[in-house]
Amino acid sequence: DQQVKQNSPSLSVQEGRISILNCDYTNSMFDYFLWYKKYPAEGPTFLISISSIKDKNEDGRFTVFLNKSAKHLSLHIVPSQPGDSAVYFCAASYVEGADGLTFGKGTHLIIQP
Amino acid sequence: DTGVSQNPRHKITKRGQNVTFRCDPISEHNRLYWYRQTLGQGPEFLTYFQNEAQLEKSRLLSDRFSAERPKGSFSTLEIQRTEQGDSAMYLCASSLQPSSSAFFGQGTRLTVV
Repeated sequence: DQQVKQNSPSLSVQEGRISILNCDYTNSMFDYFLWYKKYPAEGPTFLISISSIKDKNEDGRFTVFLNKSAKHLSLHIVPSQPGDSAVYFCAASYVEGADGLTFGKGTHLIIQP
Repeated sequence: DTGVSQNPRHKITKRGQNVTFRCDPISEHNRLYWYRQTLGQGPEFLTYFQNEAQLEKSRLLSDRFSAERPKGSFSTLEIQRTEQGDSAMYLCASSLQPSSSAFFGQGTRLTVV
């Protein structure tokens, strides 16, 4: 059973527009959520995280929103740039820093010029 | 410090052989994680160390798999009697407690033929 779900395998967005990547989770014990970005032949790179006590966290062009009641989080990238084309993974853990992460399958974001 | 380093980058082995991978984490990072990623999936947690102590093992880590971190610095992951299903990307990550924003290496791609 998949506890972290990214239902869109791919997403195409025009350069300069907003990219919205979605993630759903089923385990209500998850307390900390992260987004990673991955280019081909590289390991995942940490982007942004959010604790369950918050509903929003912002870092430059990246904003993560958390809706605990819906067990849903999203990553907004604005404005989207060509270098943002990558696979984005949503991940969750029970307690910040406590143990391994549970990842979704990823969404391939393609930024079109 | 150039980040998390993994060796080798690629490994092709015959079924039934043993293989060993090495991970050098970012210095001063006391947590070290191993993940496995197969095509179309997100990374799956295998095990993690706090310094030299192995604190958690996933059920994915069969008894053919063993990981060590003898001096709390580098770690090795050994797979005995490899099977074709072991073919995957093996990722290592490290973090400073209590941060969950782990930094990943580039991975070791294992192909069992």
